[in-house]
Amino acid sequence: GENVEQHPSTLSVQEGDSAVIKCTYSDSASNYFPWYKQELGKRPQLIIDIRSNVGEKKDQRIAVTLNKTAKHFSLHITETQPEDSAVYFCAADLYSSASKIIFGSGTRLSIRP
Amino acid sequence: NAGVTQTPKFQVLKTGQSMTLQCAQDMNHEYMSWYRQDPGMGLRLIHYSVGAGITDQGEVPNGYNVSRSTTEDFPLRLLSAAPSQTSVYFCASSRTSTGELFFGEGSRLTVL
Repeated sequence: GENVEQHPSTLSVQEGDSAVIKCTYSDSASNYFPWYKQELGKRPQLIIDIRSNVGEKKDQRIAVTLNKTAKHFSLHITETQPEDSAVYFCAADLYSSASKIIFGSGTRLSIRP
Repeated sequence: NAGVTQTPKFQVLKTGQSMTLQCAQDMNHEYMSWYRQDPGMGLRLIHYSVGAGITDQGEVPNGYNVSRSTTEDFPLRLLSAAPSQTSVYFCASSRTSTGELFFGEGSRLTVL
């Protein structure tokens, strides 16, 4: 069925190192791929998104890449800091009778001092 | 702007009881949706709406009803609560179906 798969489920990196989270999607018609960050006890918030007409997008230490042929996209965080510790969700728009946003299962990122 | 407002924040129900989770947004967003969040399961879409008078099912719609009589409000109804519906529920809205989702603070529901 229609879904978004996300890996890994947990990730621990040394402060200052890079972190990469990967997602795949099933619907070749998907065109919108956002990433959300959820801190403990808080609501999810958008950190970056990419549309299908773009292969890569950067915002300071965060970048997202998209490979439409392979139907996968990735989040890259460079120079990680303690405040990057959170759960990260990828998502994609899936179209049936109307467009809807489906999320991956999440990655818990921990930054080791 | 208050953004997306959900009530109640916490609720305990007994099996078989009914209740409504309220969601309101003041951003004139057309798209509204309900997700449930369970440990290790991410955010799963329950129902969504692309405008007043239009609703559709998401990934896990069974046991839940919605309606969208106005642009601002999108209540979620549990007709006969079950322990499997114990979860944190998030309402979200966006200007379009492929735009930034703005989430409410969440509603923690426990069904005994």
